Amino acid sequence: QVNLLQSGAALVKPGASVKLSCKASGYTFTDYYIHWVKQSHGKSLEWIGYINPNSGYTNYNEKFKSKATLTVDKSTNTAYMELSRLTSEDSATYYCTRCELRRAPYNWFAYWGQGTLVTVSS
Amino acid sequence: DIQMTQSPSFLSASVGDRVTINCKASQNINKYLDWYQQKHGEAPKLLIYNTNNLQTGIPSRFSGSGSGTDYTLTISSLQPEDVATYFCLQHSSRLTFGSGTKLEIK
Repeated sequence: QVNLLQSGAALVKPGASVKLSCKASGYTFTDYYIHWVKQSHGKSLEWIGYINPNSGYTNYNEKFKSKATLTVDKSTNTAYMELSRLTSEDSATYYCTRCELRRAPYNWFAYWGQGTLVTVSS
Repeated sequence: DIQMTQSPSFLSASVGDRVTINCKASQNINKYLDWYQQKHGEAPKLLIYNTNNLQTGIPSRFSGSGSGTDYTLTISSLQPEDVATYFCLQHSSRLTFGSGTKLEIK
């Protein structure tokens, strides 16, 4: 069964960086694009970007281009998102999610990680 | 970028009621519209994909319709377990979520 297991909650200081992980299992990791989504407390969802785990190709929402960096480690079937120069505006829950269709970047999402809460505070 | 306008933002209805939630796209999204349910403290859950396709395991009281720029999620008979926030998502051009509809039982 498909599973996306995200890293635990993080408390980070303003100006620092944090790297979140999303470990995939139950399918061929390189066949399906991974997307990342931000949800600020009590608010809607924002698309951050996606990565093609096979090639490493990434595509970002313009809003997050200088904030997020997406990478993968194919040897461990893990996707990563690094958030840099953190401010209070980056405090949120971040989800990884997998496309439903093989080798296609934009479609629907049946599988989601459990979310990682990032709190930015001194 | 495509903008999604979701309405209403809050909805209160009685058990057994028919409930509708709407999403309007800023341009034609060719039925590439999905609906998600999110319960408190959980990840979003896919209900409907490509306008009217019911995801496996989702009760048949959920249905979707629409075309062009206007889309609707319908719950035919509201159940207590349907209390959640509902989001639409367009995947016609990149991804854009609606702002969400919080549904509660009267």
